[in-house]
Amino acid sequence: KNEVEQSPQNLTAQEGEFITINCSYSVGISALHWLQQHPGGGIVSLFMLSSGKKKHGRLIATINIQEKHSSLHITASHPRDSAVYICAVRYEIQGAQKLVFGQGTRLTINP
Amino acid sequence: DVKVTQSSRYLVKRTGEKVFLECVQDMDHENMFWYRQDPGLGLRLIYFSYDVKMKEKGDIPEGYSVSREKKERFSLILESASTNQTSMYLCASSSLAASAVRKQFFGPGTRLTVL
Repeated sequence: KNEVEQSPQNLTAQEGEFITINCSYSVGISALHWLQQHPGGGIVSLFMLSSGKKKHGRLIATINIQEKHSSLHITASHPRDSAVYICAVRYEIQGAQKLVFGQGTRLTINP
Repeated sequence: DVKVTQSSRYLVKRTGEKVFLECVQDMDHENMFWYRQDPGLGLRLIYFSYDVKMKEKGDIPEGYSVSREKKERFSLILESASTNQTSMYLCASSSLAASAVRKQFFGPGTRLTVL
Protein backbone atom coordinates (compact mmCIF):
# COMPACT_ATOMS: atom_id res chain seq x y z
CA LYS A 1 0.00 0.00 0.00
CA ASN A 2 1.37 3.40 -0.94
CA GLU A 3 1.84 5.94 1.81
CA VAL A 4 -0.17 8.46 -0.22
CA GLU A 5 -3.31 7.56 -2.12
CA GLN A 6 -5.24 9.92 -4.37
CA SER A 7 -8.70 9.56 -5.78
CA PRO A 8 -9.94 9.61 -8.38
CA GLN A 9 -7.07 8.80 -10.74
CA ASN A 10 -8.89 10.38 -13.66
CA LEU A 11 -11.69 12.90 -13.64
CA THR A 12 -13.53 14.49 -16.53
CA ALA A 13 -16.06 17.24 -15.93
CA GLN A 14 -17.85 20.05 -17.69
CA GLU A 15 -16.82 23.66 -17.39
CA GLY A 16 -18.35 25.24 -14.33
CA GLU A 17 -18.60 22.08 -12.25
CA PHE A 18 -17.32 21.92 -8.68
CA ILE A 19 -14.34 19.55 -8.47
CA THR A 20 -13.00 17.62 -5.49
CA ILE A 21 -9.81 15.60 -5.47
CA ASN A 22 -8.97 13.56 -2.39
CA CYS A 23 -5.71 12.53 -0.79
CA SER A 24 -5.25 10.04 2.04
CA TYR A 25 -1.97 9.25 3.73
CA SER A 26 -0.81 6.75 6.31
CA VAL A 27 2.13 8.42 8.07
CA GLY A 28 2.47 11.29 10.52
CA ILE A 29 3.38 14.30 8.47
CA SER A 30 4.86 17.76 8.96
CA ALA A 31 3.23 19.21 5.83
CA LEU A 32 1.15 18.32 2.81
CA HIS A 33 1.59 19.85 -0.63
CA TRP A 34 -0.86 20.12 -3.49
CA LEU A 35 0.94 20.47 -6.83
CA GLN A 36 -0.27 21.07 -10.35
CA GLN A 37 1.50 19.69 -13.40
CA HIS A 38 0.54 20.89 -16.86
CA PRO A 39 1.21 18.90 -20.06
CA GLY A 40 4.48 20.78 -20.64
CA GLY A 41 5.84 19.15 -17.49
CA GLY A 42 6.36 22.13 -15.20
CA ILE A 43 5.25 21.60 -11.63
CA VAL A 44 3.63 24.42 -9.68
CA SER A 45 3.03 24.28 -5.97
CA LEU A 46 -0.56 25.26 -5.22
CA PHE A 47 -0.69 24.90 -1.46
CA MET A 48 1.33 23.79 1.50
CA LEU A 49 -0.80 22.81 4.48
CA SER A 50 -0.15 21.63 7.98
CA SER A 51 -3.65 22.28 9.34
CA GLY A 52 -7.01 23.80 8.52
CA LYS A 53 -7.84 25.29 5.18
CA LYS A 54 -6.26 27.54 2.57
CA LYS A 55 -7.91 29.36 -0.30
CA HIS A 56 -6.44 30.93 -3.42
CA GLY A 57 -8.83 32.18 -6.03
CA ARG A 58 -11.05 29.30 -7.08
CA LEU A 59 -8.90 26.73 -5.32
CA ILE A 60 -9.48 25.56 -1.77
CA ALA A 61 -7.38 22.99 0.08
CA THR A 62 -8.38 21.41 3.37
CA ILE A 63 -6.62 18.99 5.64
CA ASN A 64 -7.83 16.85 8.54
CA ILE A 65 -4.80 15.72 10.50
CA GLN A 66 -6.76 13.28 12.67
CA GLU A 67 -8.32 11.60 9.63
CA LYS A 68 -5.05 11.80 7.63
CA HIS A 69 -6.98 13.21 4.72
CA SER A 70 -6.82 16.27 2.49
CA SER A 71 -9.05 17.55 -0.28
CA LEU A 72 -8.46 19.97 -3.11
CA HIS A 73 -11.57 21.74 -4.37
CA ILE A 74 -11.93 23.76 -7.54
CA THR A 75 -14.96 25.98 -7.89
CA ALA A 76 -16.34 27.13 -11.24
CA SER A 77 -13.93 24.87 -13.09
CA HIS A 78 -12.47 26.02 -16.39
CA PRO A 79 -10.69 24.18 -19.24
CA ARG A 80 -7.43 25.82 -18.20
CA ASP A 81 -7.69 23.90 -14.92
CA SER A 82 -7.03 20.71 -16.93
CA ALA A 83 -3.83 19.27 -15.50
CA VAL A 84 -2.48 16.55 -13.25
CA TYR A 85 -2.96 17.37 -9.58
CA ILE A 86 -0.51 15.82 -7.19
CA CYS A 87 -0.65 15.43 -3.44
CA ALA A 88 2.67 15.12 -1.63
CA VAL A 89 3.37 14.63 2.06
CA ARG A 90 6.51 15.56 3.92
CA TYR A 91 7.72 13.74 6.98
CA GLU A 92 10.95 13.14 8.81
CA ILE A 93 12.54 9.73 9.11
CA GLN A 94 15.85 9.09 10.85
CA GLY A 95 16.73 12.75 10.73
CA ALA A 96 16.18 13.11 6.99
CA GLN A 97 13.27 14.80 5.33
CA LYS A 98 11.27 12.67 2.96
CA LEU A 99 8.69 13.81 0.44
CA VAL A 100 6.29 11.19 -0.87
CA PHE A 101 4.05 11.91 -3.83
CA GLY A 102 0.63 10.48 -4.65
CA GLN A 103 0.05 9.00 -8.06
CA GLY A 104 -1.68 12.10 -9.34
CA THR A 105 -5.19 12.85 -10.53
CA ARG A 106 -5.62 13.71 -14.19
CA LEU A 107 -8.34 16.34 -14.46
CA THR A 108 -9.93 17.24 -17.77
CA ILE A 109 -12.43 20.08 -17.96
CA ASN A 110 -14.42 20.19 -21.16
CA PRO A 111 -15.86 23.46 -22.44
CA ASP B 1 19.69 4.49 3.81
CA VAL B 2 19.52 6.94 0.97
CA LYS B 3 21.59 9.97 1.70
CA VAL B 4 21.29 13.27 -0.10
CA THR B 5 23.71 15.87 1.16
CA GLN B 6 23.99 19.55 0.38
CA SER B 7 27.20 21.48 0.73
CA SER B 8 25.95 24.13 3.14
CA ARG B 9 23.02 24.50 5.52
CA TYR B 10 23.30 28.28 5.65
CA LEU B 11 24.86 30.64 3.13
CA VAL B 12 25.04 34.43 3.00
CA LYS B 13 26.10 36.12 -0.24
CA ARG B 14 26.12 39.61 -1.68
CA THR B 15 24.14 40.82 -4.68
CA GLY B 16 26.02 40.07 -7.89
CA GLU B 17 28.12 37.23 -6.49
CA LYS B 18 28.27 33.88 -8.26
CA VAL B 19 26.87 31.17 -6.00
CA PHE B 20 27.31 27.41 -6.23
CA LEU B 21 25.04 25.03 -4.36
CA GLU B 22 26.24 21.45 -4.42
CA CYS B 23 24.19 18.31 -3.96
CA VAL B 24 25.47 14.74 -3.72
CA GLN B 25 23.49 11.50 -3.50
CA ASP B 26 24.89 8.07 -2.75
CA MET B 27 22.20 5.78 -4.19
CA ASP B 28 23.13 5.82 -7.86
CA HIS B 29 19.88 7.62 -8.70
CA GLU B 30 19.43 8.74 -12.27
CA ASN B 31 17.24 11.71 -11.45
CA MET B 32 18.13 14.75 -9.43
CA PHE B 33 16.12 17.89 -8.74
CA TRP B 34 16.58 21.39 -7.43
CA TYR B 35 13.63 23.12 -5.73
CA ARG B 36 13.22 26.36 -3.90
CA GLN B 37 10.76 26.73 -1.07
CA ASP B 38 9.30 30.06 -0.06
CA PRO B 39 6.65 30.90 2.55
CA GLY B 40 3.19 30.86 1.05
CA LEU B 41 4.46 29.53 -2.28
CA GLY B 42 5.43 26.00 -1.31
CA LEU B 43 7.86 23.96 -3.31
CA ARG B 44 8.80 25.06 -6.83
CA LEU B 45 10.96 23.10 -9.25
CA ILE B 46 13.93 25.00 -10.69
CA TYR B 47 15.70 22.36 -12.77
CA PHE B 48 15.93 18.62 -12.93
CA SER B 49 18.34 16.18 -14.50
CA TYR B 50 17.56 12.65 -15.61
CA ASP B 51 21.10 11.65 -16.58
CA VAL B 52 24.67 12.89 -16.57
CA LYS B 53 25.01 16.07 -18.62
CA MET B 54 21.23 16.13 -19.20
CA LYS B 55 19.03 18.84 -17.74
CA GLU B 56 15.52 20.12 -18.09
CA LYS B 57 14.02 23.40 -16.98
CA GLY B 58 11.46 23.25 -14.25
CA ASP B 59 8.91 25.86 -13.37
CA ILE B 60 11.21 28.74 -12.41
CA PRO B 61 14.60 28.36 -14.16
CA GLU B 62 15.24 32.07 -14.73
CA GLY B 63 18.39 33.28 -13.01
CA TYR B 64 19.69 29.77 -12.44
CA SER B 65 21.76 27.19 -14.25
CA VAL B 66 22.76 23.66 -13.34
CA SER B 67 25.59 21.24 -13.93
CA ARG B 68 25.57 17.43 -13.82
CA GLU B 69 29.06 16.23 -14.71
CA LYS B 70 28.85 13.11 -12.54
CA LYS B 71 25.87 10.96 -11.73
CA GLU B 72 26.06 11.56 -7.99
CA ARG B 73 26.46 15.33 -8.10
CA PHE B 74 24.02 18.03 -9.21
CA SER B 75 25.05 21.66 -8.85
CA LEU B 76 22.83 24.71 -8.88
CA ILE B 77 24.49 27.93 -10.01
CA LEU B 78 23.35 31.49 -9.49
CA GLU B 79 25.42 33.44 -12.00
CA SER B 80 24.70 36.80 -10.37
CA ALA B 81 22.81 36.48 -7.12
CA SER B 82 19.91 38.83 -6.49
CA THR B 83 17.94 39.53 -3.33
CA ASN B 84 14.85 37.79 -4.73
CA GLN B 85 16.85 34.58 -4.76
CA THR B 86 16.93 34.54 -0.99
CA SER B 87 15.21 31.26 -0.23
CA MET B 88 15.49 27.70 1.03
CA TYR B 89 16.97 25.48 -1.67
CA LEU B 90 16.21 21.78 -1.63
CA CYS B 91 17.92 19.09 -3.64
CA ALA B 92 16.24 15.72 -4.27
CA SER B 93 16.98 12.49 -6.07
CA SER B 94 14.98 9.54 -7.28
CA SER B 95 15.53 6.40 -9.29
CA LEU B 96 12.45 6.68 -11.50
CA ALA B 97 11.45 8.83 -14.46
CA ALA B 98 11.33 12.53 -13.65
CA SER B 99 7.85 12.83 -15.06
CA ALA B 100 6.50 10.03 -12.90
CA VAL B 101 5.02 10.76 -9.53
CA ARG B 102 7.07 8.66 -7.16
CA LYS B 103 9.22 8.97 -4.10
CA GLN B 104 11.93 11.55 -4.05
CA PHE B 105 14.58 11.74 -1.37
CA PHE B 106 15.42 15.21 -0.21
CA GLY B 107 18.53 16.79 1.20
CA PRO B 108 18.43 18.92 4.36
CA GLY B 109 18.22 22.19 2.42
CA THR B 110 20.41 25.26 2.07
CA ARG B 111 19.06 28.52 3.39
CA LEU B 112 20.54 31.18 1.14
CA THR B 113 20.40 34.84 2.04
CA VAL B 114 21.41 37.40 -0.57
CA LEU B 115 22.17 40.82 0.84
